[in-house]
Amino acid sequence: DTGVSQDPRHKITKRGQNVTFRCDPISEHNRLYWYRQTLGQGPEFLTYFQNEAQLEKSRLLSDRFSAERPKGSFSTLEIQRTEQGDSAMYLCASSAGQGGSNQPQHFGDGTRLSIL
Amino acid sequence: EDQVTQSPEALRLQEGESSSLNCSYTVSGLRGLFWYRQDPGKGPEFLFTLYSAGEEKEKERLKATLTKKESFLHITAPKPEDSATYLCAVQAGYGSNYQLIWGAGTKLIIKP
Repeated sequence: DTGVSQDPRHKITKRGQNVTFRCDPISEHNRLYWYRQTLGQGPEFLTYFQNEAQLEKSRLLSDRFSAERPKGSFSTLEIQRTEQGDSAMYLCASSAGQGGSNQPQHFGDGTRLSIL
Repeated sequence: EDQVTQSPEALRLQEGESSSLNCSYTVSGLRGLFWYRQDPGKGPEFLFTLYSAGEEKEKERLKATLTKKESFLHITAPKPEDSATYLCAVQAGYGSNYQLIWGAGTKLIIKP
């Protein structure tokens, strides 16, 4: 069973460095989502792709964050000039669907980012 | 503002002691309400989707129900392996945005 895969699982970096995470969704899923989760909280929406088009970005997402999904397959999330507050678990999810359908989102196990 | 509130924050039960978790929501049109289970260090694992008031879904010892304002996750005769954080999320019914709005979760601990 090939679920959602995220890489790396853990990332430790110094404040001010750039980091990039990768997400490989379930192969037949056309929708891809990025979320951020801190301890004791539910996931917080960051951005959403349908195929290769980025259709929605959270108002909370600063311009240091950028995401891509070239060719509608895997996706990358880059954080530039990392700050202490960026420490969190970054989760990727994918789902199938056309039009207004609301199929469940399936999650990877996340990338845990720690900023020193 | 769309909002999801889960209660209690934490729940400790003895093995076999049934109980319910609550998810209250306010949303502009409901496309769906989702229940997930999350183990430490893992991503959320999908359990159920509920689409309309009165709907019920069951899986093993879990049963989810939905009204116009809240959802319950009933756990019958739980086992220690049911220990996890249970998350509730709603999907609003407008536009092309399919993001989920999440509660903070209920941490369930089942003692043997």
